[in-house]
Amino acid sequence: EVQLVESGGGLVQPGGSLRLSCAASGFTFSSYWMSWVRQAPGKGLEWVANIKQDESEKYYVDSVKGRFTISRDNAKNSLYLQMNSLRVEDTAVYYCARVDTRSYDYWGQGTLVTVSS
Amino acid sequence: DVVMTQSPLSLPVTLGQPASISCRSSQSLVHSDGNTYLNWFQQRPGQSPRRLIYKVSNRDSGVPDRFSGSGSGTDFTLKISRVEAEDVGVYYCMQGTHWPTWTFGQGTKVEIK
Repeated sequence: EVQLVESGGGLVQPGGSLRLSCAASGFTFSSYWMSWVRQAPGKGLEWVANIKQDESEKYYVDSVKGRFTISRDNAKNSLYLQMNSLRVEDTAVYYCARVDTRSYDYWGQGTLVTVSS
Repeated sequence: DVVMTQSPLSLPVTLGQPASISCRSSQSLVHSDGNTYLNWFQQRPGQSPRRLIYKVSNRDSGVPDRFSGSGSGTDFTLKISRVEAEDVGVYYCMQGTHWPTWTFGQGTKVEIK
């Protein structure tokens, strides 16, 4: 059974940093692109970042470029999102998602990031 | 970026009756490989999104056959043949054709009358 379990969310002040993790199991993690998708409270879904299997390609939504870094450790079946210079508008539930057929076929349960003073 | 526009944004339905959600894209979703990467997701209250449909009309494993997807080019539709109580939630379309910025519609909230 495919499982994606996020962790690392919490309350942080504007300008602060957080590192999110996603533990994957039930599939060959190193064979898939992976993504982070976020959802602000009461709002819709927004793609944040993608990473290729070997980390050779990474893509970000414009609003997080230069502040967020996506990475992975295939030996640990883990995906990460380092978030720096956090802003109030980054407040959201962050989902880890597996990429398949130019879509997201599995999602984690999400981890809430709250940026507030 | 490709803009995805859903309608309606709110859809009250009677149990057992059909429901239909429209999704339009600002650009054609036909990929150079010939496929059209239009997806539908369901998000039940308090849950993560779940994919229902990929490549316009392909149902994911375990998705009831009362859900169907159709369309082409820039116009797409998700239909529920007979709405059940468990179908309450928000439905999103998403395009995967224009890489890397995949975009979602605003969401359509389905509720029981």
